[in-house]
Amino acid sequence: GDSVTQMEGPVTLSEEAFLTINCTYTATGYPSLFWYVQYPGEGLQLLLKATKADDKGSNKGFEATYRKETTSFHLEKGSVQVSDSAVYFCALSEGGGGATNKLIFGTGTLLAVQP
Amino acid sequence: NAGVMQNPRHLVRRRGQEARLRCSPMKGHSHVYWYRQLPEEGLKFMVYLQKENIIDESGMPKERFSAEFPKEGPSILRIQQVVRGDSAAYFCASSLTLSGTGNNEQFFGPGTRLTVL
Repeated sequence: GDSVTQMEGPVTLSEEAFLTINCTYTATGYPSLFWYVQYPGEGLQLLLKATKADDKGSNKGFEATYRKETTSFHLEKGSVQVSDSAVYFCALSEGGGGATNKLIFGTGTLLAVQP
Repeated sequence: NAGVMQNPRHLVRRRGQEARLRCSPMKGHSHVYWYRQLPEEGLKFMVYLQKENIIDESGMPKERFSAEFPKEGPSILRIQQVVRGDSAAYFCASSLTLSGTGNNEQFFGPGTRLTVL
């Protein structure tokens, strides 16, 4: 079945460092890809998404490009802030008509940014 | 426009009791999803419902778990005879439509953290 694999954490960075969190997927068909962020004690918030190959999703300085050839959707940010400390989840949903739109998540990556 | 609401936020039950988790979707949303997050793990899909119908329950445990989304009122996830392994965070999400572009984003509630003693 469809699955998502993302790099294990925790990832610890200093403020203003460059961030990469790797995510690869396995899917039949043409899924949509997502990054969600979860702050402590809260639910998930959509950070960005891409619905087809070569699309780039971006939001709040984060970006990720849907790479069909490498089945990847790596999350990047050029300069992280302490407020970016959270757990980041990569996810996919099935594409095409008739799909239930359920999300399949990776295990999450904890990011800790130190001042 | 209120977001997805879940209650209670925290629920403590003893083994063998019943747990009832409630989810009120965003206004106008008729699609509801339940996910479970076990400690140190990602979210796992449990069930997808539309008003009065269960569409996909492929992620639901075969016993003790049930879900409903009545015509009026919130969606309910019910766990009978809880065991320690049911301790987890349960998240509800809602969406406006099923597929197509733009309106199928899932909005998540803050979750219910169930602790089974």
